[in-house]
Amino acid sequence: DAKTTQPPSMDCAEGRAANLPCNHSTISGNEYVYWYRQIHSQGPQYIIHGLKNNETNEMASLIITEDRKSSTLILPHATLRDTAVYYCIVRRTISSGSARQLTFGSGTQLTVLP
Amino acid sequence: NAGVMQNPRHLVRRRGQEARLRCSPMKGHSHVYWYRQLPEEGLKFMVYLQKENIIDESGMPKERFSAEFPKEGPSILRIQQVVRGDSAAYFCASSPLDAYGGPTGELFFGEGSRLTVL
Repeated sequence: DAKTTQPPSMDCAEGRAANLPCNHSTISGNEYVYWYRQIHSQGPQYIIHGLKNNETNEMASLIITEDRKSSTLILPHATLRDTAVYYCIVRRTISSGSARQLTFGSGTQLTVLP
Repeated sequence: NAGVMQNPRHLVRRRGQEARLRCSPMKGHSHVYWYRQLPEEGLKFMVYLQKENIIDESGMPKERFSAEFPKEGPSILRIQQVVRGDSAAYFCASSPLDAYGGPTGELFFGEGSRLTVL
């Protein structure tokens, strides 16, 4: 799976949009971009994933560049509870019978400030 | 619909004892992953199992660690003769199947079992 690069930390003011970047310049055509977060001491939580189109759900939006070499996770109105480590993971699609775990890197520590 | 259930949430063992961590996946999920998170470090993949079958154990330490997912009952991660370096949070995750019959990338994690070795 392609390697990802994320800034180690970011701050965001409460109520503002948090934009978390991720570089995945070696991504292949069959690889998805996944975002997870881990609030301190809790289990990781799935946020969103996409292949090449922008995606939006109740938690966040995912913007993937046209060349797919980078993406941005957007939390539109960050709250204090969004303070967490955010992981950008690239994972290829798999066919039946094969297994592919998610490889978590260091992620970005997002701190939402009051 | 209950989420992924792990127990115990906290476990204290003395060096040389055995630790057993249990994980019940979400209803309808037949794939289970175990991850370990050492203090102040990231999540590291350990093992991936289906019912009665270990699919990928490339992240498991070669000795003292084993995992199973029987036909009935929870998945169990077993650590024999624990050492202080085994102190960590152990997370279990389960996933539904995709259109190809394999696990999707959408993993549902439990709250973890925190092992402390004295």
